Amino acid sequence: GAVVSQHPSWVICKSGTSVKIECRSLDFQATTMFWYRQFPKQSLMLMATSNEGSKATYEQGVEKDKFLINHASLTLSTLTVTSAHPEDSSFYICSARAGAFNYGYTFGSGTRLTVV
Amino acid sequence: GQQVMQIPQYQHVQEGEDFTTYCNSSTTLSNIQWYKQRPGGHPVFLIQLVKSGEVKKQKRLTFQFGEAKKNSSLHITATQTTDVGTYFCAGQNDMRFGAGTRLTVKP
Repeated sequence: GAVVSQHPSWVICKSGTSVKIECRSLDFQATTMFWYRQFPKQSLMLMATSNEGSKATYEQGVEKDKFLINHASLTLSTLTVTSAHPEDSSFYICSARAGAFNYGYTFGSGTRLTVV
Repeated sequence: GQQVMQIPQYQHVQEGEDFTTYCNSSTTLSNIQWYKQRPGGHPVFLIQLVKSGEVKKQKRLTFQFGEAKKNSSLHITATQTTDVGTYFCAGQNDMRFGAGTRLTVKP
């Protein structure tokens, strides 16, 4: 089945540094990927929709300069958390759809970011 | 924009009891998807409903899509400890998720 590979699975960084998270569709092409953020015991909050070859669409309240999204190829989308702060600590997860209309979305395994 | 409401937020059942979670949308959905997220894991696609009034079954799980395509439900018959997790619905329109229902099962 469809696989979305997400790396790293966890990362600890210092305040003020930037962290890049990668999502790759391994056996299919993804023109669109979705990026979510999830706090403990809460739902997935859609942050942005990543579109191959064009600018990402950000949800209201999500700072595009802080959460940089690049979708340069049909199999890779990246999310960079710039100048990270402790409040950015969260679980970040991406998803994409492998096939036709009746396919579900496949999620990456997620990245747990801790900013110290 | 589209908003999907999901209830209940939590449900604790005794193993063998039934469980139901409900999703309601403020707008008509083209379709609705259901996902399960185990503790510490990532969401896994369960099913997609497209047609008005559609009912689909997966073993002990029954999924329904309302006639108006604004609500949906997931019913689990005779829960097992393996059913533990959070169940989310998502409107296909824009892949925004409901708040999820966290199910715990007491053996």
